Amino acid sequence: QVQLQESGPGLVKPSQTLSLTCTVSGGSISSGAYYWSWIRQPAGKGLEWIGRIYTSGSINYNPSLKGRVAISLDTTKNQFSLQLSSVTAADTAMYYCARDIAAADGWARYLDYWGQGTLVTVSS
Amino acid sequence: DIQMTQSPSSLSASVGDRVTITCRASQSVSNYLNWYQQKPGKAPKLLIYAASSLQTGVPSRFSGSGSGTDFTLTISSLQPEDFATYYCQGSYGTPWTFGQGTKVELK
Repeated sequence: QVQLQESGPGLVKPSQTLSLTCTVSGGSISSGAYYWSWIRQPAGKGLEWIGRIYTSGSINYNPSLKGRVAISLDTTKNQFSLQLSSVTAADTAMYYCARDIAAADGWARYLDYWGQGTLVTVSS
Repeated sequence: DIQMTQSPSSLSASVGDRVTITCRASQSVSNYLNWYQQKPGKAPKLLIYAASSLQTGVPSRFSGSGSGTDFTLTISSLQPEDFATYYCQGSYGTPWTFGQGTKVELK
């Protein structure tokens, strides 16, 4: 059973960089045709896809984050990470990591395993 | 970006009711449409992928249909554990986008 667990500071000051790590257990992060994704959700609001990284290192980001985001992979630790720079109060949210997998047809993709989420508050 | 619009935003229903939630994409997403259930304080849980495929372990009272721009999630007989918020999500190219959510409440 694959499990994902987010970790990182719960409080970040405005203009600083938010850094989170997702540790994957129950399987190797570098095996299989998976993307490893980050999603966030402000309190009481909907879900926003932040971006994803493939096991080969290929990356996709949400353009709405205007180049502030970086996702990386550490296969030696079975982890992937999120960095979001120049944060403001608008970046306060629950941050989730998730596994992105393809259906049997090889094309349809979906998020099948999620971490429990970690709350990040941006405040001075 | 492809916009996903769900309706209704909320609904009240009773145990045993048949519930239907719709999701409309701003352009065709083929069958690249997924449904998630989220309960308060919990991460979303995958229910349906590729528009109509039931995720392993999800009760058969959940079903999905549609293709192109119009999709439906149906709960055939609402159970007490089904009161939650439901999100559709399109995966036709990036960025992936979610609908705004439909909250299913007890009548």
